[in-house]
Amino acid sequence: EADIYQTPRYLVIGTGKKITLECSQTMGHDKMYWYQQDPGMELHLIHYSYGVNSTEKGDLSSESTVSRIRTEHFPLTLESARPSHTSQYLCASSEGQGDTEAFFGQGTRLTVV
Amino acid sequence: QKEVEQNSGPLSVPEGAIASLNCTYSDRGSQSFFWYRQYSGKSPELIMFIYSNGDKEDGRFTAQLNKASQYVSLLIRDSQPSDSATYLCAFGMDSSYKLIFGSGTRLLVRP
Repeated sequence: EADIYQTPRYLVIGTGKKITLECSQTMGHDKMYWYQQDPGMELHLIHYSYGVNSTEKGDLSSESTVSRIRTEHFPLTLESARPSHTSQYLCASSEGQGDTEAFFGQGTRLTVV
Repeated sequence: QKEVEQNSGPLSVPEGAIASLNCTYSDRGSQSFFWYRQYSGKSPELIMFIYSNGDKEDGRFTAQLNKASQYVSLLIRDSQPSDSATYLCAFGMDSSYKLIFGSGTRLLVRP
């Protein structure tokens, strides 16, 4: 069973607020990912990290930022939330290079009003 | 051209039939291939992975990989209504840290 956790599961917040979505894994995986997914739509990679102090932007441009100070922790921050940020955010992790499976957290469903 | 192409469906099959899901990819450097299942409102969960050309079977599921044709498929035998979900194919490369997902095929198994 995968040990990757996201908090909060659901978040409703007002426009302009700063938010941080938490993601932690206890598997010691080097690689971590953030995906954005609207209902019924495809997964879009917005950020990834291949180790401590390494972060890269994904294929979909995002106004969010990430940090990787510890192996197990990969938080995502929105400095000023907007309604266009309403979506589901999925965190994942995997071991080693690009050829290993990814384990997903349960997701954070964000609604900006 | 998108890196991973999947028919969005829905693919509708009767209970007990074989469901066949297909995926093509554009990068010949791809080395590992994954099939994930995603129920509505839930996170993707891994069903199978395949690295070598040919077939790989696990219970009711069979993954087929043809690197020359850049094609990977998933067969679900004896389909059940509980198999109704979106199936995502994904690929990774040893030289890359990214895992690329297709847009998914929605499968509907009719009782």
